[in-house]
Amino acid sequence: NAGVTQTPKFQVLKTGQSMTLQCAQDMNHEYMSWYRQDPGMGLRLIHYSVGAGITDQGEVPNGYNVSRSTTEDFPLRLLSAAPSQTSVYFCASSFLTGKTEAFFGQGTRLTVV
Amino acid sequence: SQQGEEDPQALSIQEGENATMNCSYKTSINNLQWYRQNSGRGLVHLILIRSNEREKHSGRLRVTLDTSKKSSSLLITASRAADTASYFCATGPMDTGRRALTFGSGTRLQVQP
Repeated sequence: NAGVTQTPKFQVLKTGQSMTLQCAQDMNHEYMSWYRQDPGMGLRLIHYSVGAGITDQGEVPNGYNVSRSTTEDFPLRLLSAAPSQTSVYFCASSFLTGKTEAFFGQGTRLTVV
Repeated sequence: SQQGEEDPQALSIQEGENATMNCSYKTSINNLQWYRQNSGRGLVHLILIRSNEREKHSGRLRVTLDTSKKSSSLLITASRAADTASYFCATGPMDTGRRALTFGSGTRLQVQP
């Protein structure tokens, strides 16, 4: 089982560029989410989805966009990259939102210059 | 905002000693979970304790939950060098409608061989 797969693992962007971080899971989980991790701040929720076609904002959604067209995939789009978006991004999935264990991808380390 | 706050922020012990990490949270929860993150990797689920449980064991891990004090502790007994990692608590909300797990800022554990 692949679990949760994130691509790319590393990315450098110039300010103003856009890109999409990919996330796919093969566990048939309904719930998927994106977090960003910054030093000393734990993980902060960006966007989440409770099923195909349903997305909602988390704690820090500004500058990011998501869609959920299938159960398996939950891409995160940076619309116009800013240095403040330099971070490590994690995708997670679980059967139920907040009530069961979450499975995490290996992360995408993004640097915006 | 961070729901969970871990204490201490950093902990250094010798192999064979016990490690205790604490987590405090602010709002009512459905469950509390502990995760481990090795350097440069994704988070791995360790244990989940529900709000109606007071203590739970899994191998060398012991978790307690005191909902009246809104706090939890993670005890790792007979620590090993391989336990070196960051440990995060995460809370699952009471209302299932929206939010995901909320993470604290973590405790960095260093186990000296």
